[in-house]
Amino acid sequence: EAGVAQSPRYKIIEKRQSVAFWCNPISGHATLYWYQQILGQGPKLLIQFQNNGVVDDSQLPKDRFSAERLKGVDSTLKIQPAKLEDSAVYLCASSFGTGAEKLFFGSGTQLSVL
Amino acid sequence: QQPVQSPQAVILREGEDAVINCSSSKALYSVHWYRQKHGEAPVFLMILLKGGEQKGHDKISASFNEKKQQSSLYLTASQLSYSGTYFCGTEATGKLIFGQGTTLQVKP
Repeated sequence: EAGVAQSPRYKIIEKRQSVAFWCNPISGHATLYWYQQILGQGPKLLIQFQNNGVVDDSQLPKDRFSAERLKGVDSTLKIQPAKLEDSAVYLCASSFGTGAEKLFFGSGTQLSVL
Repeated sequence: QQPVQSPQAVILREGEDAVINCSSSKALYSVHWYRQKHGEAPVFLMILLKGGEQKGHDKISASFNEKKQQSSLYLTASQLSYSGTYFCGTEATGKLIFGQGTTLQVKP
């Protein structure tokens, strides 16, 4: 079974530039999550989709972050413009349903903002 | 509300036991446990759904006290492969919130 695919694996940008991350969840998984993990901390939920609808985006800094999941399959997370404090690993995860479901994580994108 | 994990870090010798605690200020529907090795994605260990439920996974088991809004992860006869950071995730309103993590280091 193919896992959650993410790209790119690493990204280095300067502050005020824009960046986009891509995620392809496990086939058939309705729920897709984007988490931000700052070094030494637990993953922080940014946005949760069920199919192509947003379930929760209360922690997403909407002035600079945006995410979409067109057609309820793959998803893109964008940051524009990036700040130094956005340096983190961005993890995508998927699950079959919502609620008490096992999450499958991708390898993440490590973002460094200089 | 982020759950609180304790301790923050543990160092063990192979074969020793450890307990990692996770507590929440909110009533919980479920508790998840994940392990993350350095530079890798978190990997699922188990989900606990009911108050007082206990589950096991090889020599790793966990309990969930719904009344106390707490969960504990038990690692017995630890192996080198157990090293990593353990996260609990608590679910109260349909979204999973992770704790800050407990770093476990197992030495030969």
